[in-house]
Amino acid sequence: KAGVTQTPRYLIKTRGQQVTLSCSPISGHRSVSWYQQTPGQGLQFLFEYFSETQRNKGNFPGRFSGRQFSNSRSEMNVSTLELGDSALYLCASTRSSMNTEAFFGQGTRLTVV
Amino acid sequence: TQLLEQSPQFLSIQEGENLTVYCNSSSVFSSLQWYRQEPGEGPVLLVTVVTGGEVKKLKRLTFQFGDARKDSSLHITAAQPGDTGLYLCAGIISSGSARQLTFGSGTQLTVLP
Repeated sequence: KAGVTQTPRYLIKTRGQQVTLSCSPISGHRSVSWYQQTPGQGLQFLFEYFSETQRNKGNFPGRFSGRQFSNSRSEMNVSTLELGDSALYLCASTRSSMNTEAFFGQGTRLTVV
Repeated sequence: TQLLEQSPQFLSIQEGENLTVYCNSSSVFSSLQWYRQEPGEGPVLLVTVVTGGEVKKLKRLTFQFGDARKDSSLHITAAQPGDTGLYLCAGIISSGSARQLTFGSGTQLTVLP
């Protein structure tokens, strides 16, 4: 079966712009989590969605938001981009919010200039 | 402040050597996972340990969960160049009806031929 698909793979944006990243989970998986990975901070949890509802949120400013659609696909949005938002954004899907076997996508490499 | 501390942060060894990576926390986790991440890819789950004192083996990899469920170790026997990658531990915390992964800082392993 197809894995987790994230688009786009690479993105370059200017400070102050906004960006939307997309994640399609494995078929049948209803939970999607987002993580930010940077060399200095490692993998940091952003938020988790299950059945179109945000179940959990990490310690990130309100500029970071997300949503999940009825087909379980998810998007995350970052507004008013800052240089420090440059990172690899990873999406992981699990069958349910209680299931811990997470499957990660390849990530979206965001560079803010 | 990292909830999970991994050590060492970097490790470079020769093919055939043994190594141990440590993952420590002051928090108790319901379970703990180990992932390996290769360049340009998302993390891939290697194992989940659930019971304090549990030991799991995956070919040349041995994973141990501490008795108090606060720490874990990964031991690789006779390392091979294909073991090269970023090793991440992740503690699982239950929050209401959801479970959240908290990742360690990672250990970058390089196995030289």
